[in-house]
Amino acid sequence: DVKVTQSSRYLVKRTGEKVFLECVQDMDHENMFWYRQDPGLGLRLIYFSYDVKMKEKGDIPEGYSVSREKKERFSLILESASTNQTSMYLCASSLRAQGAKNIQYFGAGTRLSVL
Amino acid sequence: LAKTTQPISMDSYEGQEVNITCSHNNIATNDYITWYQQFPSQGPRFIIQGYKTKVTNEVASLFIPADRKSSTLSLPRVSLSDTAVYYCLVAPYNTDKLIFGTGTRLQVFP
Repeated sequence: DVKVTQSSRYLVKRTGEKVFLECVQDMDHENMFWYRQDPGLGLRLIYFSYDVKMKEKGDIPEGYSVSREKKERFSLILESASTNQTSMYLCASSLRAQGAKNIQYFGAGTRLSVL
Repeated sequence: LAKTTQPISMDSYEGQEVNITCSHNNIATNDYITWYQQFPSQGPRFIIQGYKTKVTNEVASLFIPADRKSSTLSLPRVSLSDTAVYYCLVAPYNTDKLIFGTGTRLQVFP
């Protein structure tokens, strides 16, 4: 079974702090994704990566950056956390092949509260 | 990316068949149609994908008419554990990104 592990289930941070959310997958997937999920807004893509050191902006990249130094690990960074970044953050991974790329495997999520 | 439209919510009772229809009028020739399921406090889970006609697996069936402008996810004999949000997505051929939208919230009653 594919496993996508997010480092924290719950996180509480202060405004202005630098926050790191870590995600690790164990199936050698090329693609990795970060989403945030808010009530009434569904899942929105923040960033994704299709290879080590490669990244592409999603729909809402402002206030976030990412890092992918190894194939299995994809980090989301909040440079200076703000209260409007309080949300559920979901990491996912997939293969790149046609058809298979549409099957994303998700982690359990990190519920981040910024106070 | 093709936009999808699906009901905001649906109610059903245990043992009934549930059909959730999604419209995607501007689907492109090589796009796939993909459905995910999300339980509370969990990440979404892929359930089924199709290109045309009918696809069936152990969880659901997916019906796609010839014009591919809509699709219907069919859940046979639902149980309480099928209460979840169901997302219909059009998966473009030329990008690895998926657009999830807000989905259909299915509530199954005893």
